[in-house]
Amino acid sequence: ILNVEQSPQSLHVQEGDSTNFTCSFPSSNFYALHWYRWETAKSPKALFVMTLNGDEKKKGRISATLNTKEGYSYLYIKGSQPEDSATYLCALNAGGTSYGKLTFGQGTILTVHP
Amino acid sequence: KAGVTQTPRYLIKTRGQQVTLSCSPISGHRSVSWYQQTPGQGLQFLFEYFSETQRNKGNFPGRFSGRQFSNSRSEMNVSTLELGDSALYLCASSPTKAGVYNEQFFGPGTRLTVL
Repeated sequence: ILNVEQSPQSLHVQEGDSTNFTCSFPSSNFYALHWYRWETAKSPKALFVMTLNGDEKKKGRISATLNTKEGYSYLYIKGSQPEDSATYLCALNAGGTSYGKLTFGQGTILTVHP
Repeated sequence: KAGVTQTPRYLIKTRGQQVTLSCSPISGHRSVSWYQQTPGQGLQFLFEYFSETQRNKGNFPGRFSGRQFSNSRSEMNVSTLELGDSALYLCASSPTKAGVYNEQFFGPGTRLTVL
């Protein structure tokens, strides 16, 4: 069984705080790591897809890093805003033909207080 | 481009019945994946179809099945419903082709309640 673990499970921060979450995965069978944001009553939306060790991606105030050798990825949010409140999911493509098969972690629930 | 659509959005069934859920992918996307979301288990992969063929399958019993049509629309079927099948079922489409790991685009989901 493939385990993708996220920590913390939930996080409460104040508006303006910077925060980060962790996604851990088995480094063997790694092909791609995805981050998704899932807001209440909406659909999950992709933030990043990363495939290369050492990869860093950025979108506005959100960035992510990837270490495939040790099996982890970090997601950073700089200057959190209330609209950043959501569940952040990481997911793994593990296997050469796993293009449409994602194994998700349990998610980190972020609440940003005004 | 229109997004991924799923019908119906809500469904109530009783134990023992069967149900069919439908998913229309984004135009041009040939891969459709299905996921089950429950509070205890999170998002679990059911299966993926690509060009009308099941390309990947998750660890679900044979009561769960699916298919894909030539226009890439997909259906999933659950037979002999159990209470534990109550969940949000999400489908996602992707332009994924061999050698490329693309993001998935999710639909709004179908909320199934089994009584």
